[in-house]
Amino acid sequence: KNQVEQSPQSLIILEGKNCTLQCNYTVSPFSNLRWYKQDTGRGPVSLTIMTFSENTKSNGRYTATLDADTKQSSLHITASQLSDSASYICVVSHSNTGTASKLTFGTGTRLQVTL
Amino acid sequence: SQTIHQWPATLVQPVGSPLSLECTVEGTSNPNLYWYRQAAGRGLQLLFYSVGIGQISSEVPQNLSASRPQDRQFILSSKKLLLSDSGFYLCACATSGNYEQYFGPGTRLTVT
Repeated sequence: KNQVEQSPQSLIILEGKNCTLQCNYTVSPFSNLRWYKQDTGRGPVSLTIMTFSENTKSNGRYTATLDADTKQSSLHITASQLSDSASYICVVSHSNTGTASKLTFGTGTRLQVTL
Repeated sequence: SQTIHQWPATLVQPVGSPLSLECTVEGTSNPNLYWYRQAAGRGLQLLFYSVGIGQISSEVPQNLSASRPQDRQFILSSKKLLLSDSGFYLCACATSGNYEQYFGPGTRLTVT
C-alpha cells in the first residue's frame, strides 16, 4: 500500500530557530517527491519538487533532501519567521504517466513559530 | 503562470441538499484537472481527475460526481449531500510536461 508518513505531527519553535521535518514513504513506482506549504484555510503551495536523481533542493530558507534508497525526505527551515507557521505536506508521486500522476499525501506537520 | 479560481469559498448546506462547486483555470490550455478533499487531520484524498473535456476518472466511489464542460472548467457535484461530505475541497491543475500540480484556494463545505 502506498503510504507517506510525516513527523512530527506538530512542532512549536521560536522565531529565528531552525527546524527539520521528516517524511518517510512507501510508494512504488516512485516518480517524484514534493513539499507543499499550506496556510490554514488555503490551498497548498509548492516549495520543492525532487525527482529520483536529485538529493537536495533549496527554495530560499527551505531546503529539502531526498534519500531514495531509504525512502526518506526532510525539509529544513532556516531562521524561521512567523510567516512560516503553516502545515507542511510531503507528497509522493507514484506514476510515470506525466501529468496524470497519482499522488499520495502525508497528513502534514503543523508548524507554529512563536516570539 | 496559471491561476485557479474556486467558488464559493465557503458553503454550509443541509444534509440531502444538492451541491455544485466550480473550478476555473486561467493562463494555460488543456490542463489536467483534479478534485481533492481534505478532511480534518487527514491528508488530501484524490476524488476525480480529468485529462480533457468530458473525460473524468473517479478515484473513490461515493455520492459525488464531476464534470468538465469546458477545457478550463471543472465542476464537482452531488445530488444529495451526506454529513461525511464535509471538508475542504481543493481543485488542482497540471500542464503537459510539468509534474507540478498547482492548487486553488479551496472551498470549505460544512454539511449540517
